[in-house]
Amino acid sequence: AQSVTQLGSHVSVSEGALVLLRCNYSSSVPPYLFWYVQYPNQGLQLLLKYTSAATLVKGINGFEAEFKKSETSFHLTKPSAHMSDAAEYFCAVSERGGGADGLTFGKGTHLIIQP
Amino acid sequence: DAGVIQSPRHEVTEMGQEVTLRCKPISGHDYLFWYRQTMMRGLELLIYFNNNVPIDDSGMPEDRFSAKMPNASFSTLKIQPSEPRDSAVYFCASSFVVGNEQFFGPGTRLTVL
Repeated sequence: AQSVTQLGSHVSVSEGALVLLRCNYSSSVPPYLFWYVQYPNQGLQLLLKYTSAATLVKGINGFEAEFKKSETSFHLTKPSAHMSDAAEYFCAVSERGGGADGLTFGKGTHLIIQP
Repeated sequence: DAGVIQSPRHEVTEMGQEVTLRCKPISGHDYLFWYRQTMMRGLELLIYFNNNVPIDDSGMPEDRFSAKMPNASFSTLKIQPSEPRDSAVYFCASSFVVGNEQFFGPGTRLTVL
């Protein structure tokens, strides 16, 4: 069975500071990994995805994530936080590709940006 | 493209009533997913379809929940009878298998009193 653990239900950073949101996964097969963002009262939007190509994945809005098999991690980073980054972030895993399989989500991390 | 469309956006009902949530996937997508989001349990997969056929309904909480996809452009999630613990945001998502990405609708916020 697959699972996702997101460390920290809330993360607060200052505007312009580094953003680091942590995600660890468990999967019995090489996984497909995703980061989604949810703004208040909206659906989920895909930030980036890992599908066994490059281990460093670049996404939208300046975010990137690195797949580390030895650490079973897929942490999300952004060099400089912007006020518009305040939202809920979800890490998700799939064992058969995100298009043809249900996603297993972490509990989410609420990102707070301090002015 | 209009994206995934869900209706209604908000539903308030009383315990025991039947509730029907609707979803129109993105045209050409062959997978459709229903998820539920609650504070306690987070985002959970309820059921998903491929080419209108249910593939995995192991996440459906109990027999009060049912889902159908009569054609490629429409799906429903029905709860009968509804209970207060069913209060949640229900999301529909669709995908095209080779794209490896699910596109989510805006969700339906259900409140059962």
